[in-house]
Amino acid sequence: EAGVAQSPRYKIIEKRQSVAFWCNPISGHATLYWYQQILGQGPKLLIQFQNNGVVDDSQLPKDRFSAERLKGVDSTLKIQPAKLEDSAVYLCASSLGRSETQYFGPGTRLLVL
Amino acid sequence: GENVEQHPSTLSVQEGDSAVIKCTYSDSASNYFPWYKQELGKGPQLIIDIRSNVGEKKDQRIAVTLNKTAKHFSLHITETQPEDSAVYFCAASMDYKLSFGAGTTVTVRA
Repeated sequence: EAGVAQSPRYKIIEKRQSVAFWCNPISGHATLYWYQQILGQGPKLLIQFQNNGVVDDSQLPKDRFSAERLKGVDSTLKIQPAKLEDSAVYLCASSLGRSETQYFGPGTRLLVL
Repeated sequence: GENVEQHPSTLSVQEGDSAVIKCTYSDSASNYFPWYKQELGKGPQLIIDIRSNVGEKKDQRIAVTLNKTAKHFSLHITETQPEDSAVYFCAASMDYKLSFGAGTTVTVRA
């Protein structure tokens, strides 16, 4: 079974630029999560989707971050404009349902200069 | 929200010895406690989990214990091997939302 796919794996941008990350969850997984992992810290949930609807985006900085999950499968996370403190690894995870085990992708490492 | 504290932040053990990582959580409503292993350049991988109606769970060399009264849970790795070297994260789930600890870097010395 294929795991969670993410692209790109690495991205370097300058502050105030925009960037987008893509995630393809495990086939059949209804719930999709985006996490931010700052160096030396544990992952922090940004947004959770159930199918194509948002369940929780309470920790998403909505002035600059946006996410969508069209058709309830793939998802994109966008940052516009980026700040230096957005440098982190952005992890996508998926699960069968909200209470099920979460499986993580390899992450996208973002460096904002 | 839930607050998870994890100790120690780094742990160095001799190959074959045991490693223990401890976590505490703040919200007594949390009912699911997974442990993840993260290797360099990779995403976290689930290694074991426990639910609040169970006190202990074991899978080969890995075991997790949960004390709901004290609100703490621990990961035990026995007979450590070089491939156990990684960063380990505990997490607690309340209302299906995972809150992670800061991680423990485990180094197994050959």
